Amino acid sequence: ELKVEQNPLFLSMQEEKNYTIYCNYSTTSDRLYWYRQDPGKSLESLFVLLSNGAVKQEGRLMASLDTKARLSTLHITAAVHDLSATYFCAVDMEYGNKLVFGAGTILRVKS
Amino acid sequence: DVKVTQSSRYLVKRTGEKVFLECVQDMDHENMFWYRQDPGLGLRLIYFSYDVKMKEKGDIPEGYSVSREKKERFSLILESASTNQTSMYLCASSFPLGAGDGYTFGSGTRLTVV
Repeated sequence: ELKVEQNPLFLSMQEEKNYTIYCNYSTTSDRLYWYRQDPGKSLESLFVLLSNGAVKQEGRLMASLDTKARLSTLHITAAVHDLSATYFCAVDMEYGNKLVFGAGTILRVKS
Repeated sequence: DVKVTQSSRYLVKRTGEKVFLECVQDMDHENMFWYRQDPGLGLRLIYFSYDVKMKEKGDIPEGYSVSREKKERFSLILESASTNQTSMYLCASSFPLGAGDGYTFGSGTRLTVV
């Protein structure tokens, strides 16, 4: 059974500092997704990582995937208040037929 | 630009009622999913469907059933609602084999069972 673990589950960030969220998963997969969710809203797709060594960047967020270590990281550079949200990683099991989510990481950026 | 539409944003139902949650997608996706989201537990898969009239149980199917009579519509049914089914329900759709941009989610239905 595929398990996906995120840590930390809560991250209180100071503006302009750097932070990393970790996503570990338990079985072989080479498809990993990062989503953002604002309070009361649905999930917004951030990154789709489809191969070992994949790295994608959008603004202050950068995601990477190491399929051998079964680890993805979401790195936040110079945090700003707009990044406050809950971030989920999800691993694609059986190639598009089942997505398993981590518990989510709540990010709060303190002014 | 709406792609995955869930029929209700908020619902309040009584214990024992039969509840229907509807989801419609306009992207011609083969796969459709129902998740429930609870604090600290992330999203958990209830059921998914990879074709019309096809369905498979996810991780927590107990107390739920689904219906997919048309490609664009996937319904979640709570046969007899209970208070432990109070949750946020999210519908999603995708192409098979993870093609395209992955998964698209609806805006969610927050169900309260009293």
